[in-house]
Amino acid sequence: KAGVTQTPRYLIKTRGQQVTLSCSPISGHRSVSWYQQTPGQGLQFLFEYFSETQRNKGNFPGRFSGRQFSNSRSEMNVSTLELGDSALYLCASSLDRGDRDTQYFGPGTRLTVL
Amino acid sequence: TQLLEQSPQFLSIQEGENLTVYCNSSSVFSSLQWYRQEPGEGPVLLVTVVTGGEVKKLKRLTFQFGDARKDSSLHITAAQPGDTGLYLCAEPNNNAGNMLTFGGGTRLMVKP
Repeated sequence: KAGVTQTPRYLIKTRGQQVTLSCSPISGHRSVSWYQQTPGQGLQFLFEYFSETQRNKGNFPGRFSGRQFSNSRSEMNVSTLELGDSALYLCASSLDRGDRDTQYFGPGTRLTVL
Repeated sequence: TQLLEQSPQFLSIQEGENLTVYCNSSSVFSSLQWYRQEPGEGPVLLVTVVTGGEVKKLKRLTFQFGDARKDSSLHITAAQPGDTGLYLCAEPNNNAGNMLTFGGGTRLMVKP
């Protein structure tokens, strides 16, 4: 079974631009979560989508948004990029069977903002 | 949201040595997970501990959950270069879907 795939793997943008990252979950997984990983702040939860609805949201500004499609694929968008948005963006998918469900992470998209 | 503190932040050892990394919180964990992340990859789940005092083994890795469920440790016996990576503890917040709260991580380097 294919794992979680994220595209693109690397991205360079300039301040003020916007960016869209894509995540394809493992087949059959209905929950997709997004995380930001930086050397200073570590891994921080952005948001989670389930059945095309945002189920939970972390403490990030409104410039960060996402959506999920009917096939469970998810995208996240960051508008008006800032230098501090440079990070590894990870998505994770799970079956969402309930308590302590295993999350499977993709390899991430490394975003560099110049 | 509770804070998870991991120590040490960095660890560089020789092949064959033993090591222990720690994950602590001032609050009680509902459960705790340990992940390993290698360069260029996402974190991979190693184990989930649920019950206070629980001990789980995964080959040369031993995971312990404190009796009071406020701390956990990961012990590696006879470390190998393949153990190199970032070790992360995380608490699942099952009251809020699949959200994970991560500790800051321990970056381990095992030299041949």
